[in-house]
Amino acid sequence: QQQVKQSPQSLIVQKGGISIINCAYENTAFDYFPWYQQFPGKGPALLIAIRPDVSEKKEGRFTISFNKSAKQFSLHIMDSQPGDSATYFCAGGDSNSGYALNFGKGTSLLVTP
Amino acid sequence: EPEVTQTPSHQVTQMGQEVILRCVPISNHLYFYWYRQILGQKVEFLVSFYNNEISEKSEIFDDQFSVERPDGSNFTLKIRSTKLEDSAMYFCASSSITTFGNTIYFGEGSWLTVV
Repeated sequence: QQQVKQSPQSLIVQKGGISIINCAYENTAFDYFPWYQQFPGKGPALLIAIRPDVSEKKEGRFTISFNKSAKQFSLHIMDSQPGDSATYFCAGGDSNSGYALNFGKGTSLLVTP
Repeated sequence: EPEVTQTPSHQVTQMGQEVILRCVPISNHLYFYWYRQILGQKVEFLVSFYNNEISEKSEIFDDQFSVERPDGSNFTLKIRSTKLEDSAMYFCASSSITTFGNTIYFGEGSWLTVV
């Protein structure tokens, strides 16, 4: 059972453009929604995270939008740069389950010069 | 910046052999995790460990897997009688619960190849 569905699988954006990655979750017990960035051969690195009591969180060029009623959240990368080219994973976690994260399948982002 | 360190970075083992993957979590973190990632696939939760015992485990974490915190700094994952399908990148992670949530820091991974 896939608890977190992520789309698109891959994304190509021009430098300076906006990258948008979407996720939907099924488990209403999730109360923590992080996004991770992973470069080839490296471990996932936390990018930004949100709790369901807020609808948006912004950190620099990265913004999470959260829609609790629709059980959806998305990552927006403004002014995308070639250095942002990586795989992005959304995840959901439940504080009552030790925050074990359920990851989406990932989105491979390529930002072209 | 503190980091989670893992050893070995890559291990090749024969099917049926036992493997131990080692991790040094970030000091003062209280939660420890193992995740795995089969090549090209998503990151999958295996097990979480808190207060010297397993707090959660997934269906993947069956009897061939075990975890241990043998001392105050190391956290290990043992895979008994490895199978070909155990070939994957294994990530150790640690976290410290905050009022906001749970910032989980991942190590660089141990790439396990079972032949």
